[in-house]
Amino acid sequence: EVQLVESGGGLVQPGRSLRLSCTASGFTFGDYVMSWVRQAPGKGLEWVGFTRVKPDGETTAYAASVAGRFTISKDDSENVAYLQMDSLKTEDTALYYCCRGYCDGVSCYAYFDLWGQGTLVTVSS
Amino acid sequence: DIVMTQSPDSLAVSLGERATINCKSSQSVLSSSNNKNYLAWYQQKPGQPPKLLIYWASTRASGVPDRFSGSGSGTDFTLTISSLQAADVALYYCQQHYTHTLSFGGGTKVEIK
Repeated sequence: EVQLVESGGGLVQPGRSLRLSCTASGFTFGDYVMSWVRQAPGKGLEWVGFTRVKPDGETTAYAASVAGRFTISKDDSENVAYLQMDSLKTEDTALYYCCRGYCDGVSCYAYFDLWGQGTLVTVSS
Repeated sequence: DIVMTQSPDSLAVSLGERATINCKSSQSVLSSSNNKNYLAWYQQKPGQPPKLLIYWASTRASGVPDRFSGSGSGTDFTLTISSLQAADVALYYCQQHYTHTLSFGGGTKVEIK
């Protein structure tokens, strides 16, 4: 089955760190753009960042609100993407979704055809 | 960064009637290299992750009913539900992927009148 499963969420104090994982199955993980999108309680979707793979080149991009604090990485051998979150703030409280960018076999694009169920991060003292 | 603005914030439509959602980008998302609009639409039902409905502004994703259609180009886009069904009650979001810093619209809540 083609799916994404997030894990690692929980309650964390402001200023601390947390690492989220996204485990993929059912597709060739290394061929895809993997992204994180978050949704604060009762709010809309906010893009967090993505990592883009070849042939477009290995690039990573982040939203201004998390740049310098969050880091996205991938382990293609384990089919896992990570979101390392440092210096967490109360405004980072949200449901964090992992999602897959669409690839047509030639190029990959950053619109998302597969989403996980999300993992909840609560930043509070 | 490109700002995506959706309107209205919410709308109530009778079953079987048309629902129209607008999305405006602060700069064009039309690529001159491939003549494609880097604009997608998603549907999110309560307690569920978003689901891709439309990509390249007007192409329906696999399995999406043909009552959903997307139109527009450049900076102005529309998602239309031609005949609203009860199953269409949801939040709808537009998203641009023209630049490396992606962005979503604020969302539009569709309800039954």
